[in-house]
Amino acid sequence: KAGVTQTPRYLIKTRGQQVTLSCSPISGHRSVSWYQQTPGQGLQFLFEYFSETQRNKGNFPGRFSGRQFSNSRSEMNVSTLELGDSALYLCASSEGGTGANVLTFGAGSRLTVL
Amino acid sequence: DQQVKQNSPSLSVQEGRISILNCDYTNSMFDYFLWYKKYPAEGPTFLISISSIKDKNEDGRFTVFLNKSAKHLSLHIVPSQPGDSAVYFCAASGDYGGSQGNLIFGKGTKLSVKP
Repeated sequence: KAGVTQTPRYLIKTRGQQVTLSCSPISGHRSVSWYQQTPGQGLQFLFEYFSETQRNKGNFPGRFSGRQFSNSRSEMNVSTLELGDSALYLCASSEGGTGANVLTFGAGSRLTVL
Repeated sequence: DQQVKQNSPSLSVQEGRISILNCDYTNSMFDYFLWYKKYPAEGPTFLISISSIKDKNEDGRFTVFLNKSAKHLSLHIVPSQPGDSAVYFCAASGDYGGSQGNLIFGKGTKLSVKP
């Protein structure tokens, strides 16, 4: 079974630009969650999508958005990039049912904002 | 306000000995706890979990203990091996209206196992 795939793995942008990151979940997984990892804040929850609907959102500004497609693939977008957006962005998938779920993470997309 | 705390940023242990990683939480509504391991340039990998209705869960060399009254959990690795050297994250989950994709993570403990 293929794991969670994130693209691109590395990217460099400048302030004010926007970026789109992509995530392909494990086959059969319907939930996709996004996390931001920075040295100072650790892993912080951005949002979760299930069946193309956002069902939970973390405490991030509206510049951070996402969507999920009918095949469960997901994208997240960050507009008007700031230096502080430099981070490792991790996508995780799970079966998505109610009750406890183990999240399986991808390798991440490392974003550097100059 | 950190709801999940790992107070030791790093831990060094001799190969073959026990590694004990600790985690404290503040939210009594958390009902599921997980440990993840992360190597550089990779995503976190699930290690072991425990439900709040249990106080111990074991999987091979890894055992997680949960003390609900103290809001404390710990991960024991016995015996420790050099390949266990990684950053370990404690995470907690609650029932947020059916959404289980929101894990609250600690900031991690870097474990170094010396040969």
